[in-house]
Amino acid sequence: EVQLVESGGGLIQPGGSLRLSCAASGFTVSSNYMSWVRQAPGKGLEWVSVIYSGGSTYYADSVKGRFTISRDNSKNTLYLQMNSLRAEDTAVYYCARGGSSNSGSYFPFDYWGQGTLVTVSS
Amino acid sequence: QSALTQPASVSGSPGQSITISCTGTSSDVGGYNYVSWYQQHPGKAPKLMIYDVSNRPSGVSNRFSGSKSGNTASLTISGLQAEDEADYYCSSYTSSSTLEGVFGGGTKLTVL
Repeated sequence: EVQLVESGGGLIQPGGSLRLSCAASGFTVSSNYMSWVRQAPGKGLEWVSVIYSGGSTYYADSVKGRFTISRDNSKNTLYLQMNSLRAEDTAVYYCARGGSSNSGSYFPFDYWGQGTLVTVSS
Repeated sequence: QSALTQPASVSGSPGQSITISCTGTSSDVGGYNYVSWYQQHPGKAPKLMIYDVSNRPSGVSNRFSGSKSGNTASLTISGLQAEDEADYYCSSYTSSSTLEGVFGGGTKLTVL
């Protein structure tokens, strides 16, 4: 059974850092496109970042230079390192299997974690 | 701001059919058969309902169907049930170099 379990969210002050984890089971993270998607309170879904099976990464402009997506193949786990956090980063963060590239590849987000809440506030 | 435009809300009575639209451009919806739809109940993670415009994942009711015409994709739910009340999001492949606007703004479906 495919499962994604996020952890690492919490309350953090503006300017702080946080690392989210997404432990996968039932499939191999490194063989798939994996994405982070967030949802601010009462708002819609916003794509944040993707890591391709080949290892390349891509970010939304709103987080570029502050967030880093990575994976640990030995742990079959996806990560999102978030630095210089801002109030507008407050959201539930979901990891999801899937994503796209602008070279023609598209994989729907077929599995999602339960989400982890990140609150940026003083 | 989302690159894909959805109506903010739609409603229907049990047993009726409703359609949710998702309008993009020739750089996304209109140019590729890579449109997917997601259902999200309050406090829950999104669930894939339709992929590649009109394909249903295993386990998704055949009351859900997808289609596309030009730059607009559509999700139709027939035989509305109370459990269908949720938010629905479309998503599309985009040839934009920034990959932004992957999701539509979402549509709140109310079952009257």
